[in-house]
Amino acid sequence: LAKTTQPISMDSYEGQEVNITCSHNNIATNDYITWYQQFPSQGPRFIIQGYKTKVTNEVASLFIPADRKSSTLSLPRVSLSDTAVYYCLVGDTGGFKTIFGAGTRLFVKA
Amino acid sequence: GAVVSQHPSWVICKSGTSVKIECRSLDFQATTMFWYRQFPKQSLMLMATSNEGSKATYEQGVEKDKFLINHASLTLSTLTVTSAHPEDSSFYICSAFSAGTGGGEKLFFGSGTQLSVL
Repeated sequence: LAKTTQPISMDSYEGQEVNITCSHNNIATNDYITWYQQFPSQGPRFIIQGYKTKVTNEVASLFIPADRKSSTLSLPRVSLSDTAVYYCLVGDTGGFKTIFGAGTRLFVKA
Repeated sequence: GAVVSQHPSWVICKSGTSVKIECRSLDFQATTMFWYRQFPKQSLMLMATSNEGSKATYEQGVEKDKFLINHASLTLSTLTVTSAHPEDSSFYICSAFSAGTGGGEKLFFGSGTQLSVL
């Protein structure tokens, strides 16, 4: 079961690009990397998932180096509404124990 | 995307009473669902894995007689907090896997239930 490590908190300003890196040194061959966003008093929301290289969707990009021991969530031009906690999870179906790390608290300032 | 519905959103109850929380997968079938609790400013803590048609698997330190889980169908899991006490006050969240669109399976979460025990 791959353990993840993320920065506890980050600050940014509106309009900036934010990159949050997650370390997962013992990721297994079949593991995917998935990022979630959580606002206070709400359940986490799926943002993006990847296996290797780069994945992009309408809200974020996910960069995964060749060794897959880390991943970086990139949020382009953040706004105040992106203030939330971001979690990265690593796992495979079946063995996906869904253990959450501490997450990264992103605070976007005006 | 897959939708997980959780009800109620919040509940206030008296100490000693039992509270049931429902978690439904609306547009997919979920043989496995997960239940978490979350305290303010903390991460989600996995309580148990709910398996359709069989007993739930509880994480270490979670009292199975206190937190009763029933997963009677492929779209519904329930968590009952029995004889609730103020220390059971917390935010409870459920989740389920769905393939979503492409890639590996993804977890989809309910909106959570804030339980306050007086």
